[in-house]
Amino acid sequence: DTGVSQNPRHKITKRGQNVTFRCDPISEHNRLYWYRQTLGQGPEFLTYFQNEAQLEKSRLLSDRFSAERPKGSFSTLEIQRTEQGDSAMYLCASSRGGRESSPLHFGNGTRLTVT
Amino acid sequence: SQQGEEDPQALSIQEGENATMNCSYKTSINNLQWYRQNSGRGLVHLILIRSNEREKHSGRLRVTLDTSKKSSSLLITASRAADTASYFCATHGSSNTGKLIFGQGTTLQVKP
Repeated sequence: DTGVSQNPRHKITKRGQNVTFRCDPISEHNRLYWYRQTLGQGPEFLTYFQNEAQLEKSRLLSDRFSAERPKGSFSTLEIQRTEQGDSAMYLCASSRGGRESSPLHFGNGTRLTVT
Repeated sequence: SQQGEEDPQALSIQEGENATMNCSYKTSINNLQWYRQNSGRGLVHLILIRSNEREKHSGRLRVTLDTSKKSSSLLITASRAADTASYFCATHGSSNTGKLIFGQGTTLQVKP
């Protein structure tokens, strides 16, 4: 169990630029989640996949955000035309799907700063 | 919107004291989970309690669940400075969804 890996750990970008984050889940986990967290708040759900299928997407997720998991393994989260309000920690988690009681295993996040 | 609301938002205690955090949620649940987060790190799963359980223990952790009040509590006994972290409760917003919704969290500081 090598854990959930997220890259990069930090990203500083200028407003209007596009950014892409990568998440490598625990290999035997078929569910993968993306969350966003701002300082002092709980993680806010963005989207989740079971294998390569994106099963649910938050209504808070604007069309500037897109997530993919093309082969049911790693996932990418892209933010287009970044805004200062996008500055946050982006967390990825994975779990064994099909069982609601399966705990989520989180990576250490990608901290995005939009200047 | 967040499913769970933790109380208090912040808690400061001395090492050796007990810490109690409360969580309220809105919809019916199959289980409720507690997670811990150290500053700048990802969340770590602590304990899960099912809707048909009223109390569960794991080491120095004790979790209770009152489904009639839609509330849960996390008790950390004999706290240590290393317990300093944020603690979150989480539930699935409704049955048959994999989406896990987190509360706002309680920030615990344990002073040595």
